[in-house]
Parts: sequence; C-alpha cells; structure tokens
Amino acid sequence: DAGVTQSPTHLIKTRGQQVTLRCSPKSGHDTVSWYQQALGQGPQFIFQYYEEEERQRGNFPDRFSGHQFPNYSSELNVNALLLGDSALYLCASSLFSGTWEQYFGPGTRLTVT
Amino acid sequence: AQSVTQPDIHITVSEGASLELRCNYSYGATPYLFWYVQSPGQGLQLLLKYFSGDTLVQGIKGFEAEFKRSQSSFNLRKPSVHWSDAAEYFCAVGGTNSGYSTLTFGKGTMLLVSP
Repeated sequence: DAGVTQSPTHLIKTRGQQVTLRCSPKSGHDTVSWYQQALGQGPQFIFQYYEEEERQRGNFPDRFSGHQFPNYSSELNVNALLLGDSALYLCASSLFSGTWEQYFGPGTRLTVT
Repeated sequence: AQSVTQPDIHITVSEGASLELRCNYSYGATPYLFWYVQSPGQGLQLLLKYFSGDTLVQGIKGFEAEFKRSQSSFNLRKPSVHWSDAAEYFCAVGGTNSGYSTLTFGKGTMLLVSP
C-alpha cells in the first residue's frame, strides 16, 4: 500500500513564475491538506480539500490555490512566486471522518531564485 | 487561536540517556495533541497522539508523552535514546474551525545524539 506521494521532489523557479505541485493521498483517504514548511520552522497550514472543494484555509494569500480531483489527488498552485515562497511543501492525507490522523508525504522542495 | 510553543530549539543527549522534549499549547477547549518526527529530507511521521482518556500515551519507537492540562503541556519522553533518534521533533495541536480540523505545529526541536 503506497503512502502519500508527492511530485516533483525538487523544483527551482524564478520570481514571478507559477508552479504546480502534486499529491496523491494514501489509499482509502479522501481529504488532502497542504502545509508550507520554511527553513527552521514548523509546517504551516495552507488549505484543506475534501469532495473537490476547499474546506479550510490558513493565512495564505490568494496566490496560493489548489484543486482536488475525483480520484482524491490534489494540486497546489502558486502564482507570481516570491523569494519567500521557497520552502518544503508537504501534503497530508486523511479520512474526513477521522481527519486528526494525517499522513504526510515526503514533500516538494521549492527554491525560488 | 491555537498555538504551540517548543521552547528548546536544539537538545543534545548522550546515547542511552533519557530524553524529554517540551511542548506547551494554547487552545480554548480540550485539545487533540500530536508529536511528529522528521528525519532530514523526509516528511513527518506520527509518533503518538492524545485525544482523551489516559493522560500518558504510548507511541512508536519507545516514545511516550504525558498530557498535563493544568500546565498546558504535552512533553515527549524516551527512557533510552538511540543514535537513530536524531531528528527534528514537532509538537502539534489539532483544533476545529467551522467544523473542519487543522493542525498547528510548533517550530520544532532538533535532537542531536552524542556517542
């Protein structure tokens, strides 16, 4: 049983560009949450998707958007990249009925130059 | 708003010695509390969780944590540290907002294990 997978592993972008990160949840899970982990910090909640809708959002600007597909996989999009967007982006999957148990993927390391 | 404080940025422990990592939380109701571990280049692995009931919870890899409501604390302990325990440890509190759960993490404690 594959756990949470994320792609790509690493990504380098230039300021002003747009980026899309992808996440496949653990088998059987229907909810996907995204977190941003800056260097030396704990993960910060970006948003959560369930039934293809954004259900909850943290304190992040509209440049951060997402999508969930019918197969429960998810994308995180960031527009107009800033240097400060450089971070490890973590995807976590869970069951909506038991959302407290979140399983994390290995993350995507985004570097903005 | 919920918050988590991990007062120790780094801790160095000798292999075989005991370990205690501190975590204090702020949350209006009974919290759901978690400890995660992150090895370099890896995602987060859940060590243990507290939802209710017995305030001493057991987790994987020989870790345990004790919930103390009066002190708003949820400290992580291990009686004997192994070199493979060197990693970053995050405490998190779960809260609901409009019926949907979110996790708020502390800034983490880096554990170094000396021979």
